[in-house]
Amino acid sequence: GQQVMQIPQYQHVQEGEDFTTYCNSSTTLSNIQWYKQRPGGHPVFLIQLVKSGEVKKQKRLTFQFGEAKKNSSLHITATQTTDVGTYFCAGKVQGRGSTLGRLYFGRGTQLTVWP
Amino acid sequence: DTEVTQTPKHLVMGMTNKKSLKCEQHMGHRAMYWYKQKAKKPPELMFVYSYEKLSINESVPSRFSPECPNSSLLNLHLHALQPEDSALYLCASSQVGTGLILSGNTIYFGEGSWLTVV
Repeated sequence: GQQVMQIPQYQHVQEGEDFTTYCNSSTTLSNIQWYKQRPGGHPVFLIQLVKSGEVKKQKRLTFQFGEAKKNSSLHITATQTTDVGTYFCAGKVQGRGSTLGRLYFGRGTQLTVWP
Repeated sequence: DTEVTQTPKHLVMGMTNKKSLKCEQHMGHRAMYWYKQKAKKPPELMFVYSYEKLSINESVPSRFSPECPNSSLLNLHLHALQPEDSALYLCASSQVGTGLILSGNTIYFGEGSWLTVV
């Protein structure tokens, strides 16, 4: 079945270091969404990427969508303790008849930031 | 702050109990979802409603029974659950796009209901 692979599963960094998580799909995606979930919280929508090769920035966060629309990355520059949480990518498969938001979630990357 | 409201936030129930989880949104979204999330795992889709009709059931056991009374409300009725059903249950909503619109369908999650089955 459709899978969205996400690596790494865990990442421990010292505050100020950069962090990147990667997602890869076996099939072309119509879009990819990124969510952040704090410990004990719920997934919070961060951004959606739609276009091939798209790059979007939110302050210290940079999101990329690959040219083939099969992979995506989230990069955080100079991490802070407030960045702690699990980051999920979720891809919507292209070409399906359903227009509903049926997303395939990656397993998530759990980020720990040491002060 | 989420615009998808879920109640209760925490629920402890016995295996013979009947309880319900409730979800409400006022964003005008016509698609609503139930997800189940176990610790350190991604959300797993359970049900999808589109225009108040059940569109997707991901082979969920019948002890979970969804209901969509109107476009703003979504319920999940629980009966004879097992301890392994203990999890965070997330409600979500989104717009329903047309086939020509590749963008959209961003899913907005509620804060979830933490369910413990004893």
